[in-house]
Amino acid sequence: ELKVEQNPLFLSMQEGKNYTIYCNYSTTSDRLYWYRQDPGKSLESLFVLLSNGAVKQEGRLMASLDTKARLSTLHITAAVHDLSATYFCAVDLYSGGGADGLTFGKGTHLIIQP
Amino acid sequence: EAGVVQSPRYKIIEKKQPVAFWCNPISGHNTLYWYLQNLGQGPELLIRYENEEAVDDSQLPKDRFSAERLKGVDSTLKIQPAELGDSAVYLCASSPGGRSNTGELFFGEGSRLTVL
Repeated sequence: ELKVEQNPLFLSMQEGKNYTIYCNYSTTSDRLYWYRQDPGKSLESLFVLLSNGAVKQEGRLMASLDTKARLSTLHITAAVHDLSATYFCAVDLYSGGGADGLTFGKGTHLIIQP
Repeated sequence: EAGVVQSPRYKIIEKKQPVAFWCNPISGHNTLYWYLQNLGQGPELLIRYENEEAVDDSQLPKDRFSAERLKGVDSTLKIQPAELGDSAVYLCASSPGGRSNTGELFFGEGSRLTVL
């Protein structure tokens, strides 16, 4: 059974600081996704990582994937209040015939304070 | 392009009552998913459809939950009878499907169920 663990689950940080969220998973996969969820809203896709060593950046967020370590990171640079949200990582076991559906971590609740 | 549409957004019912949620996926997306999200948790897969076929319903509690996707487009998720523990957000997602698919899922706004 695939397990996806995020660390930390809660994070309070100040504006302007840098921080990293970690996502570990238990079964071999090279397909990992990051989503953002604002309170009462649905999930918004941030990054799609489809190979070992993949790195993607959007604004102050950068995501990377190490399939050998079964680890993905989401790095926040010079945080701003607007980035306050819950961030989920998710893994697809992908059997080769199409997406099997994503298994999500519990999420990292991020609060960025002025 | 319209996103995934779900209704109702909110539903409050008493326990033992039935409830149904409807989902219209993004046009052309063959794969449709129903997820359950409890408060403070990540979404958990209930069922996955490829066109009109349910290809993975192993996590669907079949004693009270049922789902259908007639004609391979819209889908309905039903709970009968509802229990207190069913209070949660029910999310529908879709993806293009097929071997070239990146696996990225596109989610609707969700249907928030409260069982009293």
